[in-house]
Amino acid sequence: QKEVEQDPGPLSVPEGAIVSLNCTYSNSAFQYFMWYRQYSRKGPELLMYTYSSGNKEDGRFTAQVDKSSKYISLFIRDSQPSDSATYLCAMTGNEKLTFGTGTRLTIIP
Amino acid sequence: DSGVTQTPKHLITATGQRVTLRCSPRSGDLSVYWYQQSLDQGLQFLIQYYNGEERAKGNILERFSAQQFPDLHSELNLSSLELGDSALYFCASNSLGGGRDTQYFGPGTRLTVL
Repeated sequence: QKEVEQDPGPLSVPEGAIVSLNCTYSNSAFQYFMWYRQYSRKGPELLMYTYSSGNKEDGRFTAQVDKSSKYISLFIRDSQPSDSATYLCAMTGNEKLTFGTGTRLTIIP
Repeated sequence: DSGVTQTPKHLITATGQRVTLRCSPRSGDLSVYWYQQSLDQGLQFLIQYYNGEERAKGNILERFSAQQFPDLHSELNLSSLELGDSALYFCASNSLGGGRDTQYFGPGTRLTVL
């Protein structure tokens, strides 16, 4: 079993929809949780960073962490075609960063 | 632009050959990470250097090696290449070297082994 599980998709939604992306993990040592966005043929870039359980909001993006269930989510409101990318969850206990396989998201105009 | 540079952008070579990938971290960053990204395995951590010293090792094959030079740039050497080594190779950097510190990724090197 992988330490981090992420549905690879692909996921296609119409413009303006709310998108929900999720990861589950098995390692209780993970304390820091991140979401990276990767456009085609580019390097990943940090989108959201959370530490504690609960919600963190940044514009149209909300990151949610539930440590008791070992489950994290990223919500995108009012999705735009420019949000089309691969979204990777990542987590660490302050050693190496462990990534999910990424979910490929397409927003249809 | 993350400030991390990688060369070359693309590399096409044959099985059995050896290649070197180069990475320059962001200005001021002491730590460099190497990752391999393939379609079926996602982003896999290979190795980390901090200020010239190896700090952490991931799923790096014995055929692969890396080093970080005094000017903090890093090179990843891949030898006896196999078809399965075809992938995107990313370098990332941060200043403190801790896993919880944000890593900034370069644009990657796409390696194709024929």
